[in-house]
Amino acid sequence: DGGITQSPKYLFRKEGQNVTLSCEQNLNHDAMYWYRQDPGQGLRLIYYSQIVNDFQKGDIAEGYSVSREKKESFPLTVTSAQKNPTAFYLCASRIPTGEDTEAFFGQGTRLTVV
Amino acid sequence: AQSVAQPEDQVNVAEGNPLTVKCTYSVSGNPYLFWYVQYPNRGLQFLLKYITGDNLVKGSYGFEAEFNKSQTSFHLKKPSALVSDSALYFCAVRDISFYSSASKIIFGSGTRLSIRP
Repeated sequence: DGGITQSPKYLFRKEGQNVTLSCEQNLNHDAMYWYRQDPGQGLRLIYYSQIVNDFQKGDIAEGYSVSREKKESFPLTVTSAQKNPTAFYLCASRIPTGEDTEAFFGQGTRLTVV
Repeated sequence: AQSVAQPEDQVNVAEGNPLTVKCTYSVSGNPYLFWYVQYPNRGLQFLLKYITGDNLVKGSYGFEAEFNKSQTSFHLKKPSALVSDSALYFCAVRDISFYSSASKIIFGSGTRLSIRP
């Protein structure tokens, strides 16, 4: 059963801690994306990766880091430098070749700072 | 850079009536446009896309969208709304970086659709 799996579904972080959100896909997609969703603001792009060992900053990359060591995995680390990390985080993937392909999304991780 | 705008934060429709969720776009080159739906605390689900060809695109759950090049619009429509259509709807556009082969999808701010029984 192909798809994108994000874990955990809910995550709590203390101030000053780094946390890592997991995103795994078995769709054999080359491109993967991380978005942040805040109430009333839609989706904002954090980082994206077109291929293994390569990634680019999106519109709001400050305070976040990513790695892309495997095609299937694109973990996002929310560092202590991110001053307002409480949000809903969404991971997506798509086939980048052929620009008409849609993105497939995971079910999201809700991060809360306590 | 490419962008999309959804001018309405909320749309309210009675069940059985037609619905329209508006989207306008700004792109250089050919537009690649998408509609997604999001239910509470879930990821986004793809509804439909316009790449080229017929201006009326049909998608999932009875939804369709009309591409209008002169008005730079891509409005989502459904002839008869259901209560179960109540959700958050996003319009999106493909954006290509001129500095690499990377492409990304840019989303609008979303429109909350509420269908009353």
